[in-house]
Amino acid sequence: SYEVTQPPSVSASPGQTASITCSGDKLGSKFVSWYQQKPGQSPVVVIYQDSKRPSGIPERFSAFSSENTATLTISGTQAMDEADYYCQAWDSNTYVFGRGTKVTVL
Amino acid sequence: EVHILESGGDLLQPGGSLRLSCAASGFTFGNYAINWVRQAPGKGLQWVAGISGSGGMRHYADSVKGRFTISRDNSKNTVFLQMSSLRVDDTGIYYCAKDFISPMSETGYFDYWGQGTPVTVSS
Repeated sequence: SYEVTQPPSVSASPGQTASITCSGDKLGSKFVSWYQQKPGQSPVVVIYQDSKRPSGIPERFSAFSSENTATLTISGTQAMDEADYYCQAWDSNTYVFGRGTKVTVL
Repeated sequence: EVHILESGGDLLQPGGSLRLSCAASGFTFGNYAINWVRQAPGKGLQWVAGISGSGGMRHYADSVKGRFTISRDNSKNTVFLQMSSLRVDDTGIYYCAKDFISPMSETGYFDYWGQGTPVTVSS
């Protein structure tokens, strides 16, 4: 079955940039979505279809996808961005999530 | 405004059965696929199953295929997840998530989520 891989953790200082990668075989040929989940809350989509941002999501969230890797970037990281982030793709009639990356704002 | 409410979670023994419900409002229910996603304690998200808006297309994760059945009643704006032969590793919060489209596909994603219902399988 298809798998996507994320780093377990990423840290950034307030105001700096945090980047989270999601890797998978030929991932660039698939649409990738990104979800933010804060403790005790349901996930929220922050990026869909590789790079589109839903209404209400701050502009500091951006993403792009290349051959085997998708990257979520948080520019000017704020304390409120501390959360778990999951990438998601579609393969062989199933949705696949990465294991998640914990973003810590130091 | 979209609302999604899961119910039916419970504590039960291995080998047992359970039916979860997902009631939704605020959108044209039959036009969208609905998915179940679970999260084991302290772990990540795992997609479980999805059903198209008409109910004609259903897909399952390998880990639940043959044990779980997803269905929907569009007259009641409700999706169900019938779970049988439950195992300890089925324990977790079960979220219902509205898909952006129908049927599920490469362009899909989950634009609205419920608060989840807890399922605990333990002897």
